[in-house]
Amino acid sequence: NAGVTQTPKFRILKIGQSMTLQCAQDMNHNYMYWYRQDPGMGLKLIYYSVGAGITDKGEVPNGYNVSRSTTEDFPLRLELAAPSQTSVYFCASRQAGTGGEQYFGPGTRLTVT
Amino acid sequence: AQRVTQPEKLLSVFKGAPVELKCNYSYSGSPELFWYVQYSRQRLQLLLRHISRESIKGFTADLNKGETSFHLKKPFAQEEDSAMYYCAPRIYIFGTGTRLKVLA
Repeated sequence: NAGVTQTPKFRILKIGQSMTLQCAQDMNHNYMYWYRQDPGMGLKLIYYSVGAGITDKGEVPNGYNVSRSTTEDFPLRLELAAPSQTSVYFCASRQAGTGGEQYFGPGTRLTVT
Repeated sequence: AQRVTQPEKLLSVFKGAPVELKCNYSYSGSPELFWYVQYSRQRLQLLLRHISRESIKGFTADLNKGETSFHLKKPFAQEEDSAMYYCAPRIYIFGTGTRLKVLA
C-alpha cells in the first residue's frame, strides 16, 4: 500500500493563479481531511469529507474548494491564489470506528508570490 | 472556543533524562486526545491515543480532567526520540507542536 499520496511536493504560484493539490489514498478510508500548517503553527482544518460525494468546511475554508467523487481521491482547489495561502498542505485519511488514527500524506509546500 | 496549548516550542534534554511534553486544552465535550509525532524527513504519524491507554516507545500520556491536560511523558529519553510532537485533543484539532531534542 502506498498509503496517502500527495502531489506536487513543491509549487510556486503567482498571485491570482489557480491550482489543484492532489491527494489519494489506497486504504479504502471513508474520512479524508485537508490541513494547512503555517510556520510555527499547528495544523488547521480546511475541508473534510466523510465519504464520496460528501464534503464539509473546516476551520479555514475561505479561498479553497474540494470535491470527493471517489473514495480514493480528495483534491483541493485553490482559486485566485493569495500570499496568505503560502503554507504546507497536508492531506490525511482515516477509517471510521478505528479510534481516530489519521494517516498523513507527505505534504505539499506552496509558495504564493 | 476550542483551544490547545503546547507551551514549549523547544525542549532539550540529555539522553537518559526524563521527558515531559506539556499539552493543555480547553473546550466542551469529551476529549478524544492524541499525540502525533513527526521524525525528521518522515510523515506525521500517531504516537498514542488516550482511549487505548497504551505505552508506545516508552511514552505514556495521562489525562488530567481537573487541569484539562494530557502531558506526554517518558522516563528515560533516547536520541531517537528527537522529533516534533503534536498534541491533538480532537481528531482535527492540533497544537502548535514541541520540538524535542535529545542530546548525547
